Amino acid sequence: GQNIDQPTEMTATEGAIVQINCTYQTSGFNGLFWYQQHAGEAPTFLSYNVLDGLEEKGRFSSFLSRSKGYSYLLLKELQMKDSASYLCAGYNFNKFYFGSGTKLNVKP
Amino acid sequence: DTAVSQTPKYLVTQMGNDKSIKCEQNLGHDTMYWYKQDSKKFLKIMFSYNNKELIINETVPNRFSPKSPDKAHLNLHINSLELGDSAVYFCASSQGDGRNQPQHFGDGTRLSIL
Repeated sequence: GQNIDQPTEMTATEGAIVQINCTYQTSGFNGLFWYQQHAGEAPTFLSYNVLDGLEEKGRFSSFLSRSKGYSYLLLKELQMKDSASYLCAGYNFNKFYFGSGTKLNVKP
Repeated sequence: DTAVSQTPKYLVTQMGNDKSIKCEQNLGHDTMYWYKQDSKKFLKIMFSYNNKELIINETVPNRFSPKSPDKAHLNLHINSLELGDSAVYFCASSQGDGRNQPQHFGDGTRLSIL
């Protein structure tokens, strides 16, 4: 999406840790969201960061650095069901943008 | 007790037709949205709407028009359907103006233009 960049695809092994990065233009953005979307399904909300630092929610954590225009989603103890697309998103001035999504493949 | 429901789930129609997709949310949210997700899985906002403001993505053709009979409904009407309109359309809703609140998505409407 406009102003938001993330890798297209990543592969990781079950039980491992994976970090999915997202960069965005800093001007106008007001916090960053992460969503998960399984193939053929609707996106579901994972996390929201408005302040710098790490937010932890069980196996998933999200980090934000506003000055650098950088965020990442950290997935620990990967499970096969974590195979999905992960989208970062946020408001830039008056419009809401999604990144193009990172497709995560978890292999046994 | 579905939070955001949209109908139909599948819509197959011919080029040139006019169609509508309905969306309802029972979450008491103030803002509703329509998104288009194309074959490359890129999710692009088309409209966001609350009782105060309609924000239109300027890239959306004016053949697309949102209609909101009340706060819980935001329908999408499409005139003169074109082949490029084939996509999955998602409705979503959020509290407040949505800037710092998560969005809840419907299951999507898969539109195919013949």
